[in-house]
Amino acid sequence: QQQVKQSPQSLIVQKGGISIINCAYENTAFDYFPWYQQFPGKGPALLIAIRPDVSEKKEGRFTISFNKSAKQFSLHIMDSQPGDSATYFCAASSSNTGKLIFGQGTTLQVKP
Amino acid sequence: DGGITQSPKYLFRKEGQNVTLSCEQNLNHDAMYWYRQDPGQGLRLIYYSQIVNDFQKGDIAEGYSVSREKKESFPLTVTSAQKNPTAFYLCASSSRSFTGELFFGEGSRLTVL
Repeated sequence: QQQVKQSPQSLIVQKGGISIINCAYENTAFDYFPWYQQFPGKGPALLIAIRPDVSEKKEGRFTISFNKSAKQFSLHIMDSQPGDSATYFCAASSSNTGKLIFGQGTTLQVKP
Repeated sequence: DGGITQSPKYLFRKEGQNVTLSCEQNLNHDAMYWYRQDPGQGLRLIYYSQIVNDFQKGDIAEGYSVSREKKESFPLTVTSAQKNPTAFYLCASSSRSFTGELFFGEGSRLTVL
């Protein structure tokens, strides 16, 4: 119930391509879904977040798509760049549970 | 610059020794957290504190201890009871518990020999 399942574990994309990372959850009480980006040797930083009252949120080249009925959400990185190479974590929380649950992480490599 | 400072960045210890990881924030945040990161397992919550002099266990608190005597500081002690302490430890803070943005430090990598 508390898990957030993330896939794929690793992803290789050519420069200019679209990177897609998927997450699924069970707990219908989750009401906040952030994505974090982590570069090697650094702490994660918030990239983009969505709440379940909208189906999509876009910030620059990064888009979250949210499917409430399927209990899935995904991160799309358009025009992927080598500088996007990092580990990406999805997460979910609710005011009821009071905890932020992270997915397992996806290591993205964008080849020049 | 406002942020979270973790120290030390790298730490080596022998089995059976307790170690304390430091975490200081100057963001004036009420909530602070400790996460453990292992390859392929994401970030797992060890302890969190929403206010000074109060803290709660996370999902993997066994073998760890914390204190919150000041708003700015949330040190983590990895005790000899922690069976597999070698990991990357991340401290974070937020102005709102869990449903707002978490600000992370740069982490402390602990290796137990």
